[in-house]
Amino acid sequence: GAVVSQHPSRVICKSGTSVKIECRSLDFQATTMFWYRQFPKQSLMLMATSNEGSKATYEQGVEKDKFLINHASLTLSTLTVTSAHPEDSSFYICSARWTGLNGYTFGSGTRLTVV
Amino acid sequence: AQKITQTQPGMFVQEKEAVTLDCTYDTSDPSYGLFWYKQPSSGEMIFLIYQGSYDQQNATEGRYSLNFQKARKSANLVISASQLGDSAMYFCAMRESGAGGTSYGKLTFGQGTILTVHP
Repeated sequence: GAVVSQHPSRVICKSGTSVKIECRSLDFQATTMFWYRQFPKQSLMLMATSNEGSKATYEQGVEKDKFLINHASLTLSTLTVTSAHPEDSSFYICSARWTGLNGYTFGSGTRLTVV
Repeated sequence: AQKITQTQPGMFVQEKEAVTLDCTYDTSDPSYGLFWYKQPSSGEMIFLIYQGSYDQQNATEGRYSLNFQKARKSANLVISASQLGDSAMYFCAMRESGAGGTSYGKLTFGQGTILTVHP
């Protein structure tokens, strides 16, 4: 149980375009979704926390106008990288809280390359 | 201040040997949880083991055990009988109960340790 499906797994986009990443909870209701960014061989850095039906909370230093997060339903949260630049190239991964002992379930991640 | 510290960027171990991955944490919250995750090159995050701050016994899950030393604020992961498939990046993470708010329950990750198992 507690599966989060994240799409796409890989995306290449041109500089200046926008990219949307989706995370769907398949068998539970995800009231809270966390969005992380990870550069190669580095830690996961929390970008923002989204709660269903309310505005996302962004971590310090994260541009909310650039990284748009929508959590309109209990099963879907999206991250849109707007006007992407090469420095936005990274691995983005979502995580939802659930009631199991391990407490969190992660999507499989999206590798974004901006060219 | 860094909340979760993993001081070993890389570790090497011989197959079938045991290895300890270090993790120290910093919190003033009396209620917190400590997690270890494995991240292979595919990028997926695989949950390994959990230790609650009030748990009296060290957590164990198969070949994984957590050496929890509360006074020292350390939560080292011990992998026994290493296998080639254990080669991956390992992250220690902490959840603080906090005072609520919309980021309640977020995980803070350490820098990670890349483990390489040699045949």
